[in-house]
Amino acid sequence: KAGVTQTPRYLIKTRGQQVTLSCSPISGHRSVSWYQQTPGQGLQFLFEYFSETQRNKGNFPGRFSGRQFSNSRSEMNVSTLELGDSALYLCASGRDWKTGGADYGYTFGSGTRLTVV
Amino acid sequence: AQRVTQPEKLLSVFKGAPVELKCNYSYSGSPELFWYVQYSRQRLQLLLRHISRESIKGFTADLNKGETSFHLKKPFAQEEDSAMYYCALRGSQGNLIFGKGTKLSVKP
Repeated sequence: KAGVTQTPRYLIKTRGQQVTLSCSPISGHRSVSWYQQTPGQGLQFLFEYFSETQRNKGNFPGRFSGRQFSNSRSEMNVSTLELGDSALYLCASGRDWKTGGADYGYTFGSGTRLTVV
Repeated sequence: AQRVTQPEKLLSVFKGAPVELKCNYSYSGSPELFWYVQYSRQRLQLLLRHISRESIKGFTADLNKGETSFHLKKPFAQEEDSAMYYCALRGSQGNLIFGKGTKLSVKP
């Protein structure tokens, strides 16, 4: 089966700009989560969407937002970019952890590497 | 607080030697724990889950609730095991809480 697809793979933006990242989950997965990975902070949770609703949110400023479409595809937006937003942004898809199921572990995409200059 | 601690940033062993990557967690309730691996230039991959008690690529991990640990072990390391290893805990809101990771280097 096709994996989690993230586009674009690389992005270079200047401070103050905004950016939109895209994630297509594995077919049948309705949960999409976003993580930020940096050398200093490691992997940090941004938010989770399930059935087009944000179900959980991490400790990031409001400049970070997202949405999910009816086909489960998700987008993440960062406005007013800062240098510190430079990171690898990972998307992970999975089944509904609340109702259980065999597929407990999320499947991650390859990520979008964002560089803010 | 819900937290995962991986005390070693780097672990270096020789091929054929046993490996133990340490993971300690803080969580009230029954934890769900995972090990993820990230090989060079590859995506983060699920290695194993405590709930399934499986052995993948020779790795095993046992949940020890008394010591709040979920250490990853392999009896004989291989060079292809060199990678970053992340221990993760499913938080009460469903999100994964990751440790900072341990870089395993297996020398020939």
